Amino acid sequence: QVQLQESGPGLVKPSQTLSLTCTVSGGSISSGSYYWSWIRQPAGKGLEWIGRIYTSGSTNYNPSLKSRVTISVDTSKNQFSLKLSSVTAADTAVYYCARNGYSSGWYVHWGQGTLVTVSS
Amino acid sequence: DIQMTQSPSSLSASVGDRVTITCQASQDISNYLNWYQQKPGKAPKLLIYDASNLETGVPSRFSGSGSGTDFTFTISSLQPEDIATYYCQQYDNLPPEVTFGPGTKVDIK
Repeated sequence: QVQLQESGPGLVKPSQTLSLTCTVSGGSISSGSYYWSWIRQPAGKGLEWIGRIYTSGSTNYNPSLKSRVTISVDTSKNQFSLKLSSVTAADTAVYYCARNGYSSGWYVHWGQGTLVTVSS
Repeated sequence: DIQMTQSPSSLSASVGDRVTITCQASQDISNYLNWYQQKPGKAPKLLIYDASNLETGVPSRFSGSGSGTDFTFTISSLQPEDIATYYCQQYDNLPPEVTFGPGTKVDIK
């Protein structure tokens, strides 16, 4: 059974770049036809899709964040990563990584989530 | 961009009650609509995919229906363990985007 685990700094200063990694276990990130996504949730608020990377390496981003987001994959480490630049307090949230199938736009597999706080 | 609305934003019901949540899309999304349950401090859990398909292992008291722009999620008999926030989520590939509804918080009366 595939499992996902987020990791990265819990505190980022304003204007800096938020960097998170999702480590995949129980299966190869490069096998099968899957999208590997990042989703976030500010405290007490709803879920926001940040973007995704396909097994082939192609990416799609939320238009509202596109100018600041980069998602990449490291198949040698079975990980994919999120970089969000020029962060502000509005980027404070729990960040989740998740997986969905190429033809299935629903998320069965999620990481546990990691809280990132933007503060000086 | 496709916008999703949900109603109500919160509700309180008794154990055994039938609970209904609606989700509306700003444009036709066919049946590309999923439902999740989220409990505090936990990741969302998929309950229904493609509007009406029950995810494996999910109790049959949960159901979904609808297509186009209007969707309904139902708990046929509310149980104490169903206390959570429920989200709808649409997905599209042209252009690729994923949008969640604002959520409905379900409580026990």
